[in-house]
Amino acid sequence: QITLRESGPTLVKPTQTLTLTCSFSGFSLRTRGAGVSWIRQPPGKALDFLTVVYWNDDKSYSPSLRSRGTITKDTSRNQVVLKINNVDPLDTGTYYCAHGIRSLSEGKYYYYMDVWGKGTTVTVSS
Amino acid sequence: IQLTQSPSFLSASVGDRVTISCRASQDISTFLAWYQQRPGKAPNLLIYAASTLHSGVPSRFSGRGSGTDFTLTISGLQPEDFATYYCQQLYNYLPLTFGPGTKVDV
Repeated sequence: QITLRESGPTLVKPTQTLTLTCSFSGFSLRTRGAGVSWIRQPPGKALDFLTVVYWNDDKSYSPSLRSRGTITKDTSRNQVVLKINNVDPLDTGTYYCAHGIRSLSEGKYYYYMDVWGKGTTVTVSS
Repeated sequence: IQLTQSPSFLSASVGDRVTISCRASQDISTFLAWYQQRPGKAPNLLIYAASTLHSGVPSRFSGRGSGTDFTLTISGLQPEDFATYYCQQLYNYLPLTFGPGTKVDV
């Protein structure tokens, strides 16, 4: 059974660095096709895909995060870490990590997220 | 890439057949997923690759479409189906964008 759990600070000041950890079990990030993603949801708003790291250490970032965010994996500890530099009140929201599967169809890769953590709430405020 | 969903809000009753639309700003073949999010909970995957039902998801949920136009249909709405539904494009060479959501309420 795949489970994921997000952890990190609940309150961060503007301009600081936010560090979130996703701890998971039930799968390995050495498995071909596996990925772990981060998704943010501001209060009362829609889901916002942030970033993903794949089993082969390929990474992808959303345009909004690319210059401020870094995703890394620690395969031996079954953890994925997201760091966001220079946070702003607009970074306030619930952060989810999710297990995903990268598949091939008609010569093209696609990626979907099948198991999500419960989320962790972060407020950016002075 | 932009995803739009219609309607934004849908009022329905138990037993109704409900259809939600998602339109992509460019051709994404069948690389689309649907998620359900109940209030205060994490999203759950319902359908991926436009029409493939995720394991454990009831068969009253179905998805169709390709290219730029997609639909999610719930045949026989149940009390636990009152939630917000999001589409997401899955094509790996584009940002994995979500749609703005459709809230299904009583």
